[in-house]
Amino acid sequence: GQQLNQSPQSMFIQEGEDVSMNCTSSSIFNTWLWYKQDPGEGPVLLIALYKAGELTSNGRLTAQFGITRKDSFLNISASIPSDVGIYFCAGIQTGANNLFFGTGTRLTVIP
Amino acid sequence: DGGITQSPKYLFRKEGQNVTLSCEQNLNHDAMYWYRQDPGQGLRLIYYSQIVNDFQKGDIAEGYSVSREKKESFPLTVTSAQKNPTAFYLCASSIADGGAYGYTFGSGTRLTVV
Repeated sequence: GQQLNQSPQSMFIQEGEDVSMNCTSSSIFNTWLWYKQDPGEGPVLLIALYKAGELTSNGRLTAQFGITRKDSFLNISASIPSDVGIYFCAGIQTGANNLFFGTGTRLTVIP
Repeated sequence: DGGITQSPKYLFRKEGQNVTLSCEQNLNHDAMYWYRQDPGQGLRLIYYSQIVNDFQKGDIAEGYSVSREKKESFPLTVTSAQKNPTAFYLCASSIADGGAYGYTFGSGTRLTVV
């Protein structure tokens, strides 16, 4: 399947710090989605992006659809302990029938 | 409340046995999906179904089988041919547009071979 590269693979941050992670591909996507997975649970949709250059916020989370349509970014401001989990990007290519998922970024917040 | 339910949460299987994981949704979604997640890994697509009585292989279908006899249900059978079945299995569903509005995931089934 299509390869979506997420970085960093893992992050350890202090509570209150801001977080940035990204997702890149060699192919063009027309939709980008960001999910969060709590330990032992299924991923939950955080933000959906549908247009190149689009910037969308959901509380302390902000995500952007890259201008090249080959990347997307997720920022979390003022992190709190419940932000701990794995963050996945996902994308849809034109004509595709399913999402391609990134490899995930594991976030640990130190109180 | 609408949602997607996976059962059981934990499942133990002896080597050589087939086992079936249940996935039921009441969201009226047309499409359903099965993913496998190994520790520290991303999600790998096993099978998906866009419509009742039709399904397609994903990236890692070998050793697995599915059926889609009802819109609400998409059970996954892990057969004895799957050599390394211990993993976390996630079921998801979406409306019929390929997931542009996102997939809804179940809470997963953790399968362990003993």
